[in-house]
Amino acid sequence: DVKVTQSSRYLVKRTGEKVFLECVQDMDHENMFWYRQDPGLGLRLIYFSYDVKMKEKGDIPEGYSVSREKKERFSLILESASTNQTSMYLCASRPAGERNQPQHFGDGTRLSIL
Amino acid sequence: DQQVKQNSPSLSVQEGRISILNCDYTNSMFDYFLWYKKYPAEGPTFLISISSIKDKNEDGRFTVFLNKSAKHLSLHIVPSQPGDSAVYFCAANAHSSNTGKLIFGQGTTLQVKP
Repeated sequence: DVKVTQSSRYLVKRTGEKVFLECVQDMDHENMFWYRQDPGLGLRLIYFSYDVKMKEKGDIPEGYSVSREKKERFSLILESASTNQTSMYLCASRPAGERNQPQHFGDGTRLSIL
Repeated sequence: DQQVKQNSPSLSVQEGRISILNCDYTNSMFDYFLWYKKYPAEGPTFLISISSIKDKNEDGRFTVFLNKSAKHLSLHIVPSQPGDSAVYFCAANAHSSNTGKLIFGQGTTLQVKP
């Protein structure tokens, strides 16, 4: 079974802080994704990475950056946290090369910015 | 612009009856569709998918129907069980995307009453 692990289930930070959310997958997947989930808005893609050191902006990248130094790890960075970044953050991975493979998700990080 | 829409935020069904969850899309380039199920405090889990070359795909109690001309898909759960109570997301992928990038709908909360 694919295992996608997000380092924290719950996180509380203050506005202006630099926040790191970590995600690790154990299936050697090339593609990794960061989403946020908000009520009534579904899952919105922040950033994705199709291989080590490769990244592309998703639909809502403003205020975020990412890092993919190793294949198994994809980090989401909130450069200067703001209250509108309070949300559920979800990481996912999938293998490249097989077009119709689904994404596998971690259990999420509930982030509160005070 | 919401390319994948789930217009019903919630649905309540009696145990044993059929649950029908609907999803509409606007982008004719979408050719692969997925349904995910999400329990509170867990990540979404893949449920079932369908390629645009088919109009139906069945897996146990779950069947997905695709109507390309109407740009509409639906998920049928028969018979519904209380454990099916969750948020259901539909998602779509375009053939031109080889990164597995998905566009998600807003989600529908299904409640199955005993």
